[in-house]
Amino acid sequence: DIQMTQSPSFLSASVGERVTLSCKASQNINKYLDWYQQKLGEAPKLLIYNTNNLHTGIPSRFSGSGSGTDYTLTISSLQPEDVATYFCLQRNSWPTFGAGTKLELK
Amino acid sequence: QVQLKESGPGLVQPSQTLSLTCTVSGFSLTSNSVHWVRQPPGKGLEWMGGIWGDGSTDYNSALKSRLSISRDTSKSQVFLKMNSLQTDDTAIYFCTRLLGAIDYWGQGVMVTVSS
Repeated sequence: DIQMTQSPSFLSASVGERVTLSCKASQNINKYLDWYQQKLGEAPKLLIYNTNNLHTGIPSRFSGSGSGTDYTLTISSLQPEDVATYFCLQRNSWPTFGAGTKLELK
Repeated sequence: QVQLKESGPGLVQPSQTLSLTCTVSGFSLTSNSVHWVRQPPGKGLEWMGGIWGDGSTDYNSALKSRLSISRDTSKSQVFLKMNSLQTDDTAIYFCTRLLGAIDYWGQGVMVTVSS
């Protein structure tokens, strides 16, 4: 199975700050990488699919990039409603999730 | 619009079998795949397995020996059955639509394994 390592596990940032979250795969996943946002008590919500495609209705401050084994989710200007845990998911083979990055406001 | 809703018992005894139902609307099971994902309290997400539009199934290798996923297309329902439950199977169980990415999730159902 492909292992997904997310970093950092926890991040504290200020409103308006640029935030970068990372996800590293144990092998090449050919850009089959998605990002999800999960707020407390809710189901995850798709933000980005196939590395850099913004899902319908997701604000443009969210963007994704990467290739091979290394992928990044960027929030260009953090908003209070972005407080959540963010998970990556690889679909190059049987789906596996990263352990998540918990994002809080400083 | 696309909706998925899980139903099933909230409490299962150790060693017993878990049966969950996912009722979908807004899309056809014959042209979409439905997959189950679970999340232990306070922990991360685990893909369990799914059923594709053609009726074929795939399972997480760690659960394959205990897990079965099936469907009734006439009722727009997908079923999960997992046997030999233990306390570490306590989790929120989500059914999801996998269309490229997992683009829709049900609200989830909390299942506690306890005597």
